[in-house]
Amino acid sequence: EAQVTQNPRYLITVTGKKLTVTCSQNMNHEYMSWYRQDPGLGLRQIYYSMNVEVTDKGDVPEGYKVSRKEKRNFPLILESPSPNQTSLYFCASSYYTSGETQYFGPGTRLLVL
Amino acid sequence: AQSVTQLGSHVSVSEGALVLLRCNYSSSVPPYLFWYVQYPNQGLQLLLKYTSAATLVKGINGFEAEFKKSETSFHLTKPSAHMSDAAEYFCAVSATGANNLFFGTGTRLTVIP
Repeated sequence: EAQVTQNPRYLITVTGKKLTVTCSQNMNHEYMSWYRQDPGLGLRQIYYSMNVEVTDKGDVPEGYKVSRKEKRNFPLILESPSPNQTSLYFCASSYYTSGETQYFGPGTRLLVL
Repeated sequence: AQSVTQLGSHVSVSEGALVLLRCNYSSSVPPYLFWYVQYPNQGLQLLLKYTSAATLVKGINGFEAEFKKSETSFHLTKPSAHMSDAAEYFCAVSATGANNLFFGTGTRLTVIP
């Protein structure tokens, strides 16, 4: 089954404790992206990657890191989480062609205390 | 720069009534336009997309949207609402030659029995 998977689905952590949210896709997509969803703000892009070893900032990159060492994986790293990073996070992937549909993972709900 | 405005953060309709969710975009050139649906505790699923072919686009679950360049609009409609349509709906835009999606703030649809 074609899908985007994220782990963990739910995470409670404390300020400053490094964490990684994994994202993996099995569709051989070149393009991958991370979004955060906050009430009243919709989805905002954090980082994206056009292919292996090619990443770039989205609209809200502060406090986040990413890497793309393999085509299928695109982990999101919070090196020192803060309460304002409490949010719902989505990973998405697509072929790297204009107008392509992005396929979304199930989401990771993060609470930073 | 790309942007999307969704009028009405909450819309309520009676079961069987017309559903109309509004989306206006800002773009210097004709963009790609998308409607995604998010059911409770799930990721985003594509309803339909406009990629410069037919201006009236039909999607899944009986939804359709019409691209109107003169009004810079891409409103989503469904003739008869079902209880199962209750969800949050997001309009999104991407530019020609790019994959990055810019989302509206979302519209939560409630269907009243």
